[in-house]
Amino acid sequence: QVQLQESGPGLVKPSETLSLTCTVSGGSISDNYWNWIRQSPGRGLEWIGYIYYSGSTNYNPSFKSRVSISVDTSKNHISLKLSSVTAADTAVYFCARGLGGDFGAEYFQVWGQGTLVTVSS
Amino acid sequence: DIQMTQFPSSVSASVGDRVTITCRASQDISSWLAWYQQKPGNAPKLLIYLASTLQIGVPSRFSGSGSGTDFTLTISRLQPEDFATYFCQQANRFPLTFGGGTKVEIK
Repeated sequence: QVQLQESGPGLVKPSETLSLTCTVSGGSISDNYWNWIRQSPGRGLEWIGYIYYSGSTNYNPSFKSRVSISVDTSKNHISLKLSSVTAADTAVYFCARGLGGDFGAEYFQVWGQGTLVTVSS
Repeated sequence: DIQMTQFPSSVSASVGDRVTITCRASQDISSWLAWYQQKPGNAPKLLIYLASTLQIGVPSRFSGSGSGTDFTLTISRLQPEDFATYFCQQANRFPLTFGGGTKVEIK
C-alpha cells in the first residue's frame, strides 16, 4: 500500500524558504492529486495546495504568493517550497494523497506522518 | 473562504455511549463534506466523505449525515480506540477548509 514520508529541515530562519519533500513508496505518483496540509495549535488544519501528477497546481490564496509545489515522477517525490517564512509558519506539515476517482482532489485518503517545522532565528 | 464551525469543541463520554458531533458551514456546500479522526502524534484518518459515505475499512458504528450547511458525525457505540479528535472538512469549493476539531475524551 502507498506510504508517504515527509522530510526536510526542522528549523528554518525567519525570511528564509521552507523546503520539504514527500517521498511516495508502494505506489505510483501517476493519476493522483498530491496535497500539502499543515497543522498548528493557533491555525488548526490548513490546506496549502495540491499538484496533479501531470504538474497542474492549485494553491490556497492565503499562500499563493509564497508557495510552490512541484512533482518529480522519476523519483516519486512531491516538493513544497514556502518563501519568506515567519513564526506563524511554524507547524506540522503533512503531505496527503487525494482519494482518487471522482473525488481525486477534494478528500485526503493517505497521509504522511507529518514533519514539524519551526521558524526561529 | 468557507468557514467550518464544529461543536462542541470537546465531549466527555463513556465506552458504549452514543456520541454526536456537529459541523456547520458558512454557506451551502451540498454534500461535499468529509470527517477525519486524529489521534495524538498521528496524521488525520479519513472516515467519511461526501457527507455519509464510509471510507473502506472504517467501522460501521461511524455514520455521517446532513447536507447544505449542517452536518453530523455519529459514533453509535463508543469504543476505547475512538477517543480522539474529529475534524470536518468542506470539499465544495477551493480553498478546502477544516473545522476546528472536536475532542472526544474519556468520562
